[in-house]
Amino acid sequence: EAGVAQSPRYKIIEKRQSVAFWCNPISGHATLYWYQQILGQGPKLLIQFQNNGVVDDSQLPKDRFSAERLKGVDSTLKIQPAKLEDSAVYLCASSLAGRWGSFGQGTRLTVV
Amino acid sequence: GDSVTQMEGPVTLSEEAFLTINCTYTATGYPSLFWYVQYPGEGLQLLLKATKADDKGSNKGFEATYRKETTSFHLEKGSVQVSDSAVYFCALSENGYAGNMLTFGGGTRLMVKP
Repeated sequence: EAGVAQSPRYKIIEKRQSVAFWCNPISGHATLYWYQQILGQGPKLLIQFQNNGVVDDSQLPKDRFSAERLKGVDSTLKIQPAKLEDSAVYLCASSLAGRWGSFGQGTRLTVV
Repeated sequence: GDSVTQMEGPVTLSEEAFLTINCTYTATGYPSLFWYVQYPGEGLQLLLKATKADDKGSNKGFEATYRKETTSFHLEKGSVQVSDSAVYFCALSENGYAGNMLTFGGGTRLMVKP
């Protein structure tokens, strides 16, 4: 089966600009996650969706980050405006309900 | 809250050496425990998991045993290869419910020299 697809793979933006990342989960996976992985650290959950509803967004900086999963399939994560400390790899993962998930290759964001 | 602590790297070994990467955790309830591996330029891959105390997860020659008494899940391999060079992450899922979010440790970089 095709894995979790993410785009773009790399993005460089200036601070205060906006950026969006896209994730296409494995077909049929109801649960979708966005993680932030800062260099040298482990991934940290930003938001978890079940179908098109939010399960957990307690660690999402809502003043600048937003995410949506229209129709319960693809998802986008947006940052507006970006700060230097947002430089990280943004990982998307998906899973069947009640099953362990698979990760995409991630989008590496550099904010300059 | 839940947390995972792993030994800092990098860990540098010669080929065929024995590997141990330490991982300890703090959690309420009965978490499931995981090791993920991230090869250069690739995404996170599940290496092995254990869902209850005394379970042993194993894959590709790697193994780890869920030790509730010491809250540990150390990763071991008897003979490492150059191809094992990667970053290894220990993680837990609260209450062991599949589909719950994962809490990761900081990662340990392993470098294996020929």
